[in-house]
Amino acid sequence: KNEVEQSPQNLTAQEGEFITINCSYSVGISALHWLQQHPGGGIVSLFMLSSGKKKHGRLIATINIQEKHSSLHITASHPRDSAVYICAVSRTGNQFYFGTGTSLTVIP
Amino acid sequence: KAGVTQTPRYLIKTRGQQVTLSCSPISGHRSVSWYQQTPGQGLQFLFEYFSETQRNKGNFPGRFSGRQFSNSRSEMNVSTLELGDSALYLCASSLTSGRGNEQFFGPGTRLTVL
Repeated sequence: KNEVEQSPQNLTAQEGEFITINCSYSVGISALHWLQQHPGGGIVSLFMLSSGKKKHGRLIATINIQEKHSSLHITASHPRDSAVYICAVSRTGNQFYFGTGTSLTVIP
Repeated sequence: KAGVTQTPRYLIKTRGQQVTLSCSPISGHRSVSWYQQTPGQGLQFLFEYFSETQRNKGNFPGRFSGRQFSNSRSEMNVSTLELGDSALYLCASSLTSGRGNEQFFGPGTRLTVL
């Protein structure tokens, strides 16, 4: 069983829709990270969370430490949001455990 | 500030050869982590270096090794290449090796083993 589970694996949305990606983890963590990977491979760190909620523009990330669950929300989705979104947790040091990723396609 | 750079970006090798990949972290960052990404296994942690010392190591065979220099640049070496080593190899840098640091990823080196 993976330490980090993500759902859904694939997601197609119409432009403007509200999107939610979920992440559950089974180990103690020091932080949870949401990453974005575009075709070609480059990975960008979107959020690092240890509690509560963070917001950057149209992206919102929340974490519930007791339930070991996090969500990434995208409001007013746009085709440029199309990417793979990866949930990762860090424990000791900078060793990350990764979810399998959610492939998001936003259709104009 | 320049981002994380990785060289080479693409590499083709044959089975049995060895390969060395290089990673230059963001200026001032002292921790470098290496990851392997394959379609089947996804992203997996290889190892982390901080102040020229290996801090953490993932579950990979001894053919995978690395080192870090005094300027924080890091190299990763894979010996006796196997077909299954074909992957995107990513490095990421962060300021320190403490708990839960934000990591900044390089563009990756795509290795193909024939």
